[in-house]
Formats: sequence, C-alpha cells, structure tokens
Amino acid sequence: SQQGEEDPQALSIQEGENATMNCSYKTSINNLQWYRQNSGRGLVHLILIRSNEREKHSGRLRVTLDTSKKSSSLLITASRAADTASYFCAPASNTGKLIFGQGTTLQVKP
Amino acid sequence: GAVVSQHPSRVICKSGTSVKIECRSLDFQATTMFWYRQFPKQSLMLMATSNEGSKATYEQGVEKDKFLINHASLTLSTLTVTSAHPEDSSFYICSAWEFPNSPLHFGNGTRLTVT
Repeated sequence: SQQGEEDPQALSIQEGENATMNCSYKTSINNLQWYRQNSGRGLVHLILIRSNEREKHSGRLRVTLDTSKKSSSLLITASRAADTASYFCAPASNTGKLIFGQGTTLQVKP
Repeated sequence: GAVVSQHPSRVICKSGTSVKIECRSLDFQATTMFWYRQFPKQSLMLMATSNEGSKATYEQGVEKDKFLINHASLTLSTLTVTSAHPEDSSFYICSAWEFPNSPLHFGNGTRLTVT
C-alpha cells in the first residue's frame, strides 16, 4: 500500500512567515493529495496534483511534485494563526484508497 | 462543494452495547466510502472500504464482525460497532470518493466513548 511520509513532524513559526512541508512516497501514483486536519475534526482537502503536473497553486498554497524523486512539498505563504493544524499528504492510485502517515503538525504563533 | 455529513458527532455508550454511525454524501454520489479511526495524537488508520451493494473490504487486523459496514446506497454508508468495549473508544471518520482522480471528502468524525 502507498503511504506518504511527511517531514518535519512538527513545525512552529510566527504569523506572516512561510511554512514548508515535505512528503516522500515509494510507489507510482495517479495523483498526490494534501489535506489539513484541525483538532477534533475530519480532514479537509487542500490540493490534488496529478502525476503529470509539477506545480499547482491555490490561494496561499503552492504544491510541487517531483515524480522522479517521489516527493512533494506544500508551501503555505504568509501564514496565519488559523493555519495551525496537522497536514497530511496522500499518494493516490486509481482506487481512491488513501493511507495516511503521521502528518506535520504546524503551529502558527500570533 | 462536496459535503459529507457524519452522525452522531459524539456518542457515549455502555460496554456491551452497539453503536451505529452514519455517513452521507449530501450533494454527490459516492462510488466508494472509506472508514478510518484515529487515536489521540495519531494518524488516521484505514479500517475498511465499502462499495454500494457489495461487502466491505476490511484492512488487516480489523474485525469485520465487530465493525459492521453497510453501504445501502450511493449516498449512505453506516458503521456499526457491535458489543463495544472501552478499547473501541476512538475517533471514527468516514470519507466518500466520487470518481477517479477526485479527492476524498471527509465527514467531521464521531467521537465514541465506551464506558
């Protein structure tokens, strides 16, 4: 089964700074997805990047994908206290099934 | 956007009783639904995959007789925790998948406490 491994496990920054999280995986993929989870809530989908795409933007989020290195990164620019959450990457095949790693816990200090 | 409704959000039950959790896709039809559980400060663990009208596929180590999954329609899946015990206390989260190369849409989870 494919699972993403996020790095770092924890990240603490000041409001206004940028946050970068990395993801590595081991198998071939159809796409790679990033999710956010606020404490005690379900996951919220952030961005889906297909295997033939190298970069994708959504508001303050920028995701890159390097399939040759089997890695992805999520950049959150101009972070806000509300961005405090856990972030997960999920490499996906054509079944929809996602296996989640430990995630990156981001704390944004006001 | 795609919305998944999960009920109840919290439930407390006594040991030995059964609890049913519902997961509904409100504005789309879900090809597949997935059930996860999450312990405090841990990641989500996939329990099972369910497709409408067929038996659920359980992940290794998940007791199918304990966690009964019914996927009655393209918009509704239920998870029943049978004969619950305190060790079943956890956060259960459902998700729904609409079509290939689409993301999962998650419910807000159910906090189950077994006393």
